[in-house]
Amino acid sequence: KQEVTQIPAALSVPEGENLVLNCSFTDSAIYNLQWFRQDPGKGLTSLLLIQSSQREQTSGRLNASLDKSSGRSTLYIAASQPGDSATYLCALRQGGSRLTFGEGTQLTVNP
Amino acid sequence: EAGVAQSPRYKIIEKRQSVAFWCNPISGHATLYWYQQILGQGPKLLIQFQNNGVVDDSQLPKDRFSAERLKGVDSTLKIQPAKLEDSAVYLCASSLISTWGYTEAFFGQGTRLTVV
Repeated sequence: KQEVTQIPAALSVPEGENLVLNCSFTDSAIYNLQWFRQDPGKGLTSLLLIQSSQREQTSGRLNASLDKSSGRSTLYIAASQPGDSATYLCALRQGGSRLTFGEGTQLTVNP
Repeated sequence: EAGVAQSPRYKIIEKRQSVAFWCNPISGHATLYWYQQILGQGPKLLIQFQNNGVVDDSQLPKDRFSAERLKGVDSTLKIQPAKLEDSAVYLCASSLISTWGYTEAFFGQGTRLTVV
C-alpha cells in the first residue's frame, strides 16, 4: 500500500524567502505525481504534474522535482508572497489510475 | 473549458438523516473520483469510477455510503444514515486517460457536510 508523507506539516516564513516543501512515498511504481494547492474552504487547484519519466517541472515561481529511486519529490517556491499562503498537497498516480494523497503542508507567508 | 461541478456547496443535517451529493465531471473525462477530506487531513479516496464501472471502492463504508455513475457522466454520492464522524468536505475529481498515459486530475469546489 502506498504511503505518502509530507514534511513539514506546517511552515511559517517571511515574505520573499525561498522555500522547499517535501513529499516522500514508499512505492516507486508510479505513473505521475501532482502538486495541488488548497485554500481554506476551497477545492484543490492543480499546480504541477510530473510524469514518471520526468525529473522536474516548472511554472512561474514554482519548481517541482521527482526522484523515483529515492521516493521523493520537492516543491520549490521562489520569492514567496503572502498570496502563496495555503495548504500544499502532493498526490501520486498509480496503476488503475489510483490517486493517493499526503496529509499536506500548511504554508503561511508573513508580510 | 468548464471545470468539475459539485452541489450543494454546504449541507447541515442531523445524525441518522440521509444526504446526497452530486458531481458533474469535465466533459470527456472517463475517470471520476470521490474523496472525503476531514479537517486538517489529506483527501481519502472513497470510490473511483472508470466510465460507469467501479474501479476501487475498498475504502467506502458500504453499510452507509453508496455511489453511482449512471451513463458514465454525472455521479451521486449518498450517505444513509449519517454519523457525526461523516462531517467532512466531499471532493469530486475527474481525469482523462490519453493514449500516452494519465493526465492531470481536476477537482471541484467540494461539498462541506456538517452532521449535528
